[in-house]
Amino acid sequence: DADVTQTPRNRITKTGKRIMLECSQTKGHDRMYWYRQDPGLGLRLIYYSFDVKDINKGEISDGYSVSRQAQAKFSLSLESAIPNQTALYFCATSLGTGGFAGGYTFGSGTRLTVV
Amino acid sequence: SQKIEQNSEALNIQEGKTATLTCNYTNYSPAYLQWYRQDPGRGPVFLLLIRENEKEKRKERLKVTFDTTLKQSLFHITASQPADSATYLCALDIGGYSSASKIIFGSGTRLSIRP
Repeated sequence: DADVTQTPRNRITKTGKRIMLECSQTKGHDRMYWYRQDPGLGLRLIYYSFDVKDINKGEISDGYSVSRQAQAKFSLSLESAIPNQTALYFCATSLGTGGFAGGYTFGSGTRLTVV
Repeated sequence: SQKIEQNSEALNIQEGKTATLTCNYTNYSPAYLQWYRQDPGRGPVFLLLIRENEKEKRKERLKVTFDTTLKQSLFHITASQPADSATYLCALDIGGYSSASKIIFGSGTRLSIRP
């Protein structure tokens, strides 16, 4: 099984619908992140959580919300999807303090299309 | 705001040659910098981390340098192979060794190695 699992892998939804993307990890990492990737724009941070009781907005949090249900689970919701939220979404995990924690572990991504 | 630039969108080189990718940043002094590999439709995979007090880091055919005066990192793949073809992402921290550490990504350089 993958260390970081994202579901679904692909999703097409209609404008205005609520949708949830889920992420679970077996790394035992406290820190979890949600990024979106758009061609030419790279990975942009949506939300991050340093532990179960900690939720922080990233650079592009408008239109999104998250829930950290447990150390291993971090879900991303689009309350009312719009077409410009069409993108590839990645969940990632890491150990504690960045410079000593090595790299991030990413899931395989969810390709979301809003029509 | 922090800005990361990777030298080009795409780089095409002959098998066996050394590939050199550039990452430049502005408006920040990161405590460390990371490099990732991303294959189409997949999540980024962590390759190397280099800290501000390290000039060079090696891993097999990979070499990373970090010049905090020039605000630049170079990523080298020696004896390149077609299997090295992928997009390579540079990432730097925006929190250093503090508990608030997290990273931001460049948009990547797509490397193609032709046989």
